[in-house]
Amino acid sequence: KAGVTQTPRYLIKTRGQQVTLSCSPISGHRSVSWYQQTPGQGLQFLFEYFSETQRNKGNFPGRFSGRQFSNSRSEMNVSTLELGDSALYLCASSLDAGGSYEQYFGPGTRLTVT
Amino acid sequence: GEDVEQSLFLSVREGDSSVINCTYTDSSSTYLYWYKQEPGAGLQLLTYIFSNMDMKQDQRLTVLLNKKDKHLSLRIADTQTGDSAIYFCADPPRGNNRLAFGKGNQVVVIP
Repeated sequence: KAGVTQTPRYLIKTRGQQVTLSCSPISGHRSVSWYQQTPGQGLQFLFEYFSETQRNKGNFPGRFSGRQFSNSRSEMNVSTLELGDSALYLCASSLDAGGSYEQYFGPGTRLTVT
Repeated sequence: GEDVEQSLFLSVREGDSSVINCTYTDSSSTYLYWYKQEPGAGLQLLTYIFSNMDMKQDQRLTVLLNKKDKHLSLRIADTQTGDSAIYFCADPPRGNNRLAFGKGNQVVVIP
C-alpha cells in the first residue's frame, strides 16, 4: 500500500498571502489529522476530519481551516500568513476502526513565510 | 490535561541499549505510541502499547508502561547508527485521534 502523501513538499510564501496544502491518506483510511511542528512549540494538533466532517479541532486561530473530500483526501488552508506560521505541516491518516487509532504520517510540507 | 513530558537528549554508543522516558497525564488513553522522526522526514510509527499491558516487546524495541505513575519508556537494544533520530511518545487523550506529543528525545548514536 502507498503511504500518506503530501504536496507540495516545500513552499515559500510572503506575509499576508494564503496557502493550501494537500494530503492523500493511505487507501481505506477515513480519518485525516493535521499537525504543525515548530522548534519552539513542538508538535501541535490542528484538526481532524472523518467522513468529510471536522471531528476534532485544536487551539489554532480561524485563519487555519481544512476540509476533506469524499475520497478522504484532505486540504488545509492558512489565510493571511504570518511569519510564525513557518513550520512543518504534517498530515496523518488512520483507519479508525475497532478502537485502533494508529496514525500514519506523511513526509510533511515545509512552509516558510517571509 | 494533555501534557506529555520527555527529556531532551541522549547519546549512546553503537551496540549499547538506549532508554527513552516519557510521562503523560491523561489516564483515559487506550493506547500509547512511540514515533521516530529522522532529519527532514515525517513521523514513523514505531510501536504502541495497549493501556492494559505492562510490557510489549517488538524485535529490538521494548515498551514498558507504568499506569500508576503514568510513565512510559522505550528501550532500544543493540542501538545502531540508523536509530539516530528524535523519538516522540504520543498519547491520544480521551481515546480519539487527537494525539498529544512530548517535545521528543533526540538520540545520537556514536559509532
